[in-house]
Amino acid sequence: DAMVIQNPRYQVTQFGKPVTLSCSQTLNHNVMYWYQQKSSQAPKLLFHYYDKDFNNEADTPDNFQSRRPNTSFCFLDIRSPGLGDAAMYLCATSSDETGQNYEQYFGPGTRLTVT
Amino acid sequence: QKEVEQNSGPLSVPEGAIASLNCTYSDRGSQSFFWYRQYSGKSPELIMFIYSNGDKEDGRFTAQLNKASQYVSLLIRDSQPSDSATYLCAVVRGYQKVTFGIGTKLQVIP
Repeated sequence: DAMVIQNPRYQVTQFGKPVTLSCSQTLNHNVMYWYQQKSSQAPKLLFHYYDKDFNNEADTPDNFQSRRPNTSFCFLDIRSPGLGDAAMYLCATSSDETGQNYEQYFGPGTRLTVT
Repeated sequence: QKEVEQNSGPLSVPEGAIASLNCTYSDRGSQSFFWYRQYSGKSPELIMFIYSNGDKEDGRFTAQLNKASQYVSLLIRDSQPSDSATYLCAVVRGYQKVTFGIGTKLQVIP
């Protein structure tokens, strides 16, 4: 089945220790998104890729970086995690080839804990 | 004013009743509107989308859109305990501007 996969599902890192979260998709969608979601809050868009074009949200901290080496994979790098970065990180994909709807399909998420 | 507003709830309805979830948005250029269901600790799951004024039905779910009033709603008929979750409204303007509401927590009481 076509899907969005995130690894790992749970990640524990130490304060200040770099961490990388990964996302892969078999939907062949050209747009990939990274969201941060904290408890009882709306998903907050960090950035997205339209094909290889990277688009950063204005309020995304510099501590967060992303890479998309090919259509299928996208990575979220947190260079120096702080306690406030503990959250669920969601990867989503969409395609502009399906018309104007841009519905997004989410992976299962990675729960990040910072100790 | 928040871009997408939802009452965080909880909204409690008895099993078998109709649950009505509401969402308002501020950007008149918004094109598409989505409802996602999110169980605790899980990722959002797409339930329905709508982009034309009026109603759209899919099984027990009906999405309603009124662009003039900048209002979108989700009705769940014959609510089941398994419908208990947080329902996120997402408003889209092109692929690059996607805004989620905080979500409404729905509790279906057996």
